[in-house]
Amino acid sequence: AQSVTQLGSHVSVSEGALVLLRCNYSSSVPPYLFWYVQYPNQGLQLLLKYTSAATLVKGINGFEAEFKKSETSFHLTKPSAHMSDAAEYFCAVRGGGADGLTFGKGTHLIIQP
Amino acid sequence: SQTIHQWPATLVQPVGSPLSLECTVEGTSNPNLYWYRQAAGRGLQLLFYSVGIGQISSEVPQNLSASRPQDRQFILSSKKLLLSDSGFYLCAWALGGDGFFGQGTRLTVV
Repeated sequence: AQSVTQLGSHVSVSEGALVLLRCNYSSSVPPYLFWYVQYPNQGLQLLLKYTSAATLVKGINGFEAEFKKSETSFHLTKPSAHMSDAAEYFCAVRGGGADGLTFGKGTHLIIQP
Repeated sequence: SQTIHQWPATLVQPVGSPLSLECTVEGTSNPNLYWYRQAAGRGLQLLFYSVGIGQISSEVPQNLSASRPQDRQFILSSKKLLLSDSGFYLCAWALGGDGFFGQGTRLTVV
């Protein structure tokens, strides 16, 4: 069975600082991994996905993530945080029922001015 | 392009009342459809999924049910709501690995 662990329910960074959101996964098969962003009272927007091609995946809004099989990690980074990045971020692995997504509990990103 | 519509956006219902949330998808055929619930501090939990018309699988036992009367329509229902049914409900569809979500319904049971 697949599972996802996101370390840190809340992460606070200063505007302009590096953003690092951690995600570790467990999967019995080669994983497809996703990062989603959710703004208040909205649905989920796909930031990026890993589908066994390049291990460094670039997404929207300047985010990227690196798949590290040896560490079973898929951490999300952005070099310079912007106030508009404040949101909830979810890491997910494909492989739930009918290939549905199994999500982590989410990380709330806070940007300090 | 594919779009997914989910309504209503917000809903306040008394305990014991029925529920019907609807989701429709455009621009694709025979997608897998999903209902997720997001409860405070608990992330997103897969409730139901469907691989075709009339085919429903439940991931967790609960007070809710789902139906898929048409290829691109997915309905979440309850006969009698409980306080614990409050949460943010998201419909999603998938085809070929990508997952796309609706805008969600905020359900408050009072």
